[in-house]
Amino acid sequence: GQNIDQPTEMTATEGAIVQINCTYQTSGFNGLFWYQQHAGEAPTFLSYNVLDGLEEKGRFSSFLSRSKGYSYLLLKELQMKDSASYLCAVREAGTALIFGKGTTLSVSS
Amino acid sequence: DGGITQSPKYLFRKEGQNVTLSCEQNLNHDAMYWYRQDPGQGLRLIYYSQIVNDFQKGDIAEGYSVSREKKESFPLTVTSAQKNPTAFYLCASSIRTGGLDEQFFGPGTRLTVL
Repeated sequence: GQNIDQPTEMTATEGAIVQINCTYQTSGFNGLFWYQQHAGEAPTFLSYNVLDGLEEKGRFSSFLSRSKGYSYLLLKELQMKDSASYLCAVREAGTALIFGKGTTLSVSS
Repeated sequence: DGGITQSPKYLFRKEGQNVTLSCEQNLNHDAMYWYRQDPGQGLRLIYYSQIVNDFQKGDIAEGYSVSREKKESFPLTVTSAQKNPTAFYLCASSIRTGGLDEQFFGPGTRLTVL
């Protein structure tokens, strides 16, 4: 079966660094995606990992360890606009993305 | 501009009525998807289609039906058999299923059944 786990909520202050973890158990693996979703809006793509290691994209980085079934999203220099839900999703071979329940991040000043 | 459109943004229906949600894309993507989102539940896959005239059930297909007669269109019908239809419905597309292709999402339709 499929199981993707993320913390439900996290809080942080402006300018700080936050790490959102994601663990997964799936029958196949063909990549891990991170999406950002503001309340009432559609998810938007942030990053993709298929090989082990760190992918950096500006203030956002994502890490993957396939042997541990583990990923994290690292957000640096937090801004108020980063307050949103962050969704971890896994693609099994030839199928749609399977999403975790999401982590709601609240950034305060 | 290329993208995915869903209409309407808000939809109200009486209990027992079927309702069809529209999803259109002009990205020339082969694959299309329907997800449902409830508070605290994340996105759950209803149906997906890898190519015209083909579709597969996702994790929560009961009470829903789809068609894929055209590459650009993937409408979702919420039938009266769906026990809890009130939710936020998101349509997505990608170049194909699998591989490195990200899924692009439409703006969503919020369905409320009274």
